Amino acid sequence: KQEVTQIPAALSVPEGENLVLNCSFTDSAIYNLQWFRQDPGKGLTSLLLIQSSQREQTSGRLNASLDKSSGRSTLYIAASQPGDSATYLCATGAGANNLFFGTGTRLTVIP
Amino acid sequence: ETGVTQSPTHLIKTRGQQVTLRCSSQSGHNTVSWYQQALGQGPQFIFQYYREEENGRGNFPPRFSGLQFPNYSSELNVNALELDDSALYLCASSFDRRTTEAFFGQGTRLTVV
Repeated sequence: KQEVTQIPAALSVPEGENLVLNCSFTDSAIYNLQWFRQDPGKGLTSLLLIQSSQREQTSGRLNASLDKSSGRSTLYIAASQPGDSATYLCATGAGANNLFFGTGTRLTVIP
Repeated sequence: ETGVTQSPTHLIKTRGQQVTLRCSSQSGHNTVSWYQQALGQGPQFIFQYYREEENGRGNFPPRFSGLQFPNYSSELNVNALELDDSALYLCASSFDRRTTEAFFGQGTRLTVV
């Protein structure tokens, strides 16, 4: 069974700092890896999807990388803003089918 | 293009009762999945429906059941509610079963008392 781990569980940074969130998974036979953002008590907002054949994806200040051989993905956030404060979740799987989630990293960006 | 919508947003039920949660998938998506998210945890896969048929199931008992309708909307039914069923229930849709991006609704917060 796929196990997904996210480190750190919580992170607090001053506004403007660049930061990296980590995600590791045990089974490298994945279809894709997806990063989500979740605000307290809310649903998940998709940030980036990396197909298994890809190495990275970028959207604005966000860049996600995927290294299947080592079972790792990172989410890089440039020039963090208070509005980036949320929980960030990574998930591996196939489409919406049986996504395996980590427990998330709770990010706080301090003005 | 409308996103994934779920109803109701909040619900309180008594132990032993039954509940139905609803989800409208994003336009053009034929695959819908349901997840349970306990407080402080990542979502756990319940099951998936593809073109009105169950297409995969996680480690949840049979009292969790579902339906998908011809318009690809979906229902999650939970019978004989237990206190541990209290959670945020999330619906996700995608264009197909495999490689495409999953889009989630805002969730239904279920509290069992």
